[in-house]
Amino acid sequence: KQEVTQIPAALSVPEGENLVLNCSFTDSAIYNLQWFRQDPGKGLTSLLLIQSSQREQTSGRLNASLDKSSGRSTLYIAASQPGDSATYLCALRYPNNAGNMLTFGGGTRLMVKP
Amino acid sequence: KAGVTQTPRYLIKTRGQQVTLSCSPISGHRSVSWYQQTPGQGLQFLFEYFSETQRNKGNFPGRFSGRQFSNSRSEMNVSTLELGDSALYLCASSLGSGLYNEQFFGPGTRLTVL
Repeated sequence: KQEVTQIPAALSVPEGENLVLNCSFTDSAIYNLQWFRQDPGKGLTSLLLIQSSQREQTSGRLNASLDKSSGRSTLYIAASQPGDSATYLCALRYPNNAGNMLTFGGGTRLMVKP
Repeated sequence: KAGVTQTPRYLIKTRGQQVTLSCSPISGHRSVSWYQQTPGQGLQFLFEYFSETQRNKGNFPGRFSGRQFSNSRSEMNVSTLELGDSALYLCASSLGSGLYNEQFFGPGTRLTVL
């Protein structure tokens, strides 16, 4: 069974701190991994997509890495801001699932305090 | 370029009724996937449509059904509503079926079953 775990479930940090969110998965035979952000009661915003052949992707203050051998991905947020407060979800796409089905982790709820 | 749109944004129904939700993908996108999000189960895949054909289906009862039209717009229907169907229903669109498709989510429809 393909399981995706995100620890911790919740995280509170002071503004300005650099932080790392974790995503672990049991089946490393992935097509790609996508990180999303979700604000309360809203849809998902795509942050970064890492293909299975890539090791990392960067966008602004965000950097996502992928280590298939250890079944882990991390999302690094530099110089965190209160506006970064949201739930962060990782999602994996596997080749044995036809089409575009994503398997999601449970998310990490981040609060950045001013 | 307009994003993924979902209508209606909020719905209140009673047990036993049926409901239809609509999703318009990003222009040019041919794949539409549906997900159910609840506090207890997180994000779970319902089904995906590509070029008007259901390509994949999650582990949901037959009360949940969907379709896709020639313009790629998709609808999902839930019949004989149960209290447990209360959830945020999200749809995602992507360009096609390539290995490295990025998926984009709509704002969701919040369904409350009384």
